[in-house]
Amino acid sequence: EAQVTQNPRYLITVTGKKLTVTCSQNMNHEYMSWYRQDPGLGLRQIYYSMNVEVTDKGDVPEGYKVSRKEKRNFPLILESPSPNQTSLYFCASSRWDSSGAEAFFGQGTRLTVV
Amino acid sequence: GENVEQHPSTLSVQEGDSAVIKCTYSDSASNYFPWYKQELGKRPQLIIDIRSNVGEKKDQRIAVTLNKTAKHFSLHITETQPEDSAVYFCAATFGTASKLTFGTGTRLQVTL
Repeated sequence: EAQVTQNPRYLITVTGKKLTVTCSQNMNHEYMSWYRQDPGLGLRQIYYSMNVEVTDKGDVPEGYKVSRKEKRNFPLILESPSPNQTSLYFCASSRWDSSGAEAFFGQGTRLTVV
Repeated sequence: GENVEQHPSTLSVQEGDSAVIKCTYSDSASNYFPWYKQELGKRPQLIIDIRSNVGEKKDQRIAVTLNKTAKHFSLHITETQPEDSAVYFCAATFGTASKLTFGTGTRLQVTL
């Protein structure tokens, strides 16, 4: 089954404790991205990757890191989480198409930083 | 900069009525305009999309129209049903990387 898998689904952590949210896709998609969803603000892009070892900042990259060492994986790293990073996070993947292509989303990760 | 504005933020309609959600975008070079539906507690899923070389696209009860001159596009849902209740997001691609930027969402409630 074609899917995007995120882990964990729920996470409560304390300020400053490094964490990683994993994302994996089995569709051989080139393009992967991370979004955060906050009430009234929609889905805002954090980082995206057009292929292995190619990453770039989205609209709200501060406080986040990513890496793309393999095509299927795109982890999101919070080196020193703060309460304003409490949010619902989605990973998405799509095939690369300069005219646009459907994005497939993971199940979401609800992160609370206390 | 890249921007997608979406209106209204909430919309309540009676079952059987039509619903229209409108979006405007900032970059005239944008060429792909998808719409996503997010049910409560679920992930966003694509329901319909349109490309810049097409003015209208229909899929059963949903349709999307695009006006490139005015830089706006709309989602139309006819004969609404309770299962249409969800948050709907419009989006547009920007730049050479086809970066997808989303609107802020519309919460549609279909009442009996």
